[in-house]
Amino acid sequence: DARVTQTPRHKVTEMGQEVTMRCQPILGHNTVFWYRQTMMQGLELLAYFRNRAPLDDSGMPKDRFSAEMPDATLATLKIQPSEPRDSAVYFCASAQGSTDTQYFGPGTRLTVL
Amino acid sequence: DAKTTQPPSMDCAEGRAANLPCNHSTISGNEYVYWYRQIHSQGPQYIIHGLKNNETNEMASLIITEDRKSSTLILPHATLRDTAVYYCIVRVYNQGGKLIFGQGTELSVKP
Repeated sequence: DARVTQTPRHKVTEMGQEVTMRCQPILGHNTVFWYRQTMMQGLELLAYFRNRAPLDDSGMPKDRFSAEMPDATLATLKIQPSEPRDSAVYFCASAQGSTDTQYFGPGTRLTVL
Repeated sequence: DAKTTQPPSMDCAEGRAANLPCNHSTISGNEYVYWYRQIHSQGPQYIIHGLKNNETNEMASLIITEDRKSSTLILPHATLRDTAVYYCIVRVYNQGGKLIFGQGTELSVKP
């Protein structure tokens, strides 16, 4: 049963620290999305890639967030420095080509103290 | 911004059909209606999508009105495991882009 995996599942850190979240898309999927979910804002897209190239990162705070795909099996989302307002659940999703069925991972719950 | 309006919450008795409405009065001719759900603490899960014809799969049925301004997701025999937040999303098919989630409907299935 192919699934999107995310690590870590939970992360507690202190303000100012660097946080790196990882996502392994479903094998063969070439489109990867990063979403963030908070109680106030709900689910919102941060960035997405196709064939490892960034297509849209307009939802991402540029000064502290960065997203990359070092290879086809790994996507990373980094926050440096982290702030308490970054506390949220971060979801990764993957899809095959331009089809619209996005498969979501279990999420990384981030708490910044 | 989300282009859909859904009731914030609904209840359904276990074993009965759950009918979740969605209004999308500004939908464009090339936009499809998608439904996802999110069970507590899990990632969203795709359910079904359609353009103008009714659709059915192993999870649910989707009924779209003739003017396409509203739709209803039907879970024919709701179980406790169907308790979740259900999101109705409109977007152009096969563009592979972002999903714009609204607030969704929190469905509680009760014994």
